Amino acid sequence: NAGVTQTPKFRVLKTGQSMTLLCAQDMNHEYMYWYRQDPGMGLRLIHYSVGEGTTAKGEVPDGYNVSRLKKQNFLLGLESAAPSQTSVYFCASRKKRDLVATYEQYFGPGTRLTVT
Amino acid sequence: SQQGEEDPQALSIQEGENATMNCSYKTSINNLQWYRQNSGRGLVHLILIRSNEREKHSGRLRVTLDTSKKSSSLLITASRAADTASYFCATVTSYDKVIFGPGTSLSVIP
Repeated sequence: NAGVTQTPKFRVLKTGQSMTLLCAQDMNHEYMYWYRQDPGMGLRLIHYSVGEGTTAKGEVPDGYNVSRLKKQNFLLGLESAAPSQTSVYFCASRKKRDLVATYEQYFGPGTRLTVT
Repeated sequence: SQQGEEDPQALSIQEGENATMNCSYKTSINNLQWYRQNSGRGLVHLILIRSNEREKHSGRLRVTLDTSKKSSSLLITASRAADTASYFCATVTSYDKVIFGPGTSLSVIP
């Protein structure tokens, strides 16, 4: 049981390049999230998904796209990277709300992205 | 704008002392959670307190919630060097979203 994994761990992009970050979870969680973490800002929600085939915008969605084609995977895409997207990106997942809802999110180890 | 704001931003204490961190928020919540992040790692869930609860314990952790003041506190008793980490409060205003504060950086000196 690997929990939440993220690929890659590190990446350096030039301005204008594109890339996809992959998040995978093996806990059969319905909800998945993408956050970015910048110094002094805490975590900010980029996009999230409440189930396979559904996505929604978070606080800071501009410049990012996501897809949830399979329940276990949540992809974050940068079509044209900008230096302002230099950050650490975290994926998280959790179970769907139920009678004993905990709302506990399980986080991946993060992807450190630098855009030059 | 951030829903949760932790205070202080940084805290340094001696091993064995208690550490208290506070979190203030702006709107009504369903529940409030505390997470820990060790340097370079992902966040780990510590404890959740629901809006109808006032206090909750888990091991050396004690969380309080005052919905009238829109604030919460996290107390870590008898701190250890291994407690050195950043601590974040997260408010849940709907069951789809969680909003994190900027965090408190705790250093426990052996």
